[in-house]
Amino acid sequence: AQKITQTQPGMFVQEKEAVTLDCTYDTSDPSYGLFWYKQPSSGEMIFLIYQGSYDQQNATEGRYSLNFQKARKSANLVISASQLGDSAMYFCAMREGYGQNFVFGPGTRLSVLP
Amino acid sequence: DVKVTQSSRYLVKRTGEKVFLECVQDMDHENMFWYRQDPGLGLRLIYFSYDVKMKEKGDIPEGYSVSREKKERFSLILESASTNQTSMYLCASSRPDRGWDEKLFFGSGTQLSVL
Repeated sequence: AQKITQTQPGMFVQEKEAVTLDCTYDTSDPSYGLFWYKQPSSGEMIFLIYQGSYDQQNATEGRYSLNFQKARKSANLVISASQLGDSAMYFCAMREGYGQNFVFGPGTRLSVLP
Repeated sequence: DVKVTQSSRYLVKRTGEKVFLECVQDMDHENMFWYRQDPGLGLRLIYFSYDVKMKEKGDIPEGYSVSREKKERFSLILESASTNQTSMYLCASSRPDRGWDEKLFFGSGTQLSVL
């Protein structure tokens, strides 16, 4: 079974608007971390934001925020004021239990329109 | 700037060839990983290593092997390349046991085409 689900293969957003990229996860472990990475066409994976399973508040990093709904096992990425440079693949990932490994979702390709 | 460096950005090989993908990190990280990225499938873990000379199979190790003779270098080996191994290969590293927010650092990837 998929541990990380990203239901939007592709998304379009107008420049300067906000966009939400969906991520749901599946784990029975009470301790886990959730991550979002951006992959531009250059190929390198860029870390954006992290949310811990015990964190009380939603994580924020500049224009990125994570809408964490633990009961729904949802960790959606919100990008405010989209820029052309935000066009990229976005991956949701989870690290669970005491493991060192990360599980990644299939990704969402975001295209920002001028 | 901390870095994970993969030796080739693009590589073209023939079926049956032995292929080496090299990865070097300068962050003194104990953990190193090799992922394969395919459209619609995300990143899948091939092998990882927690220390020098140690290796563990990931989710899709068949057809691959790895070598970690030095802490900073982790090599992925395709013993006999096949066309279904055409893919983007990503190397990553991390520090262990530093907390839940310890993230992966990635290289730029190697796009391998097997003809």
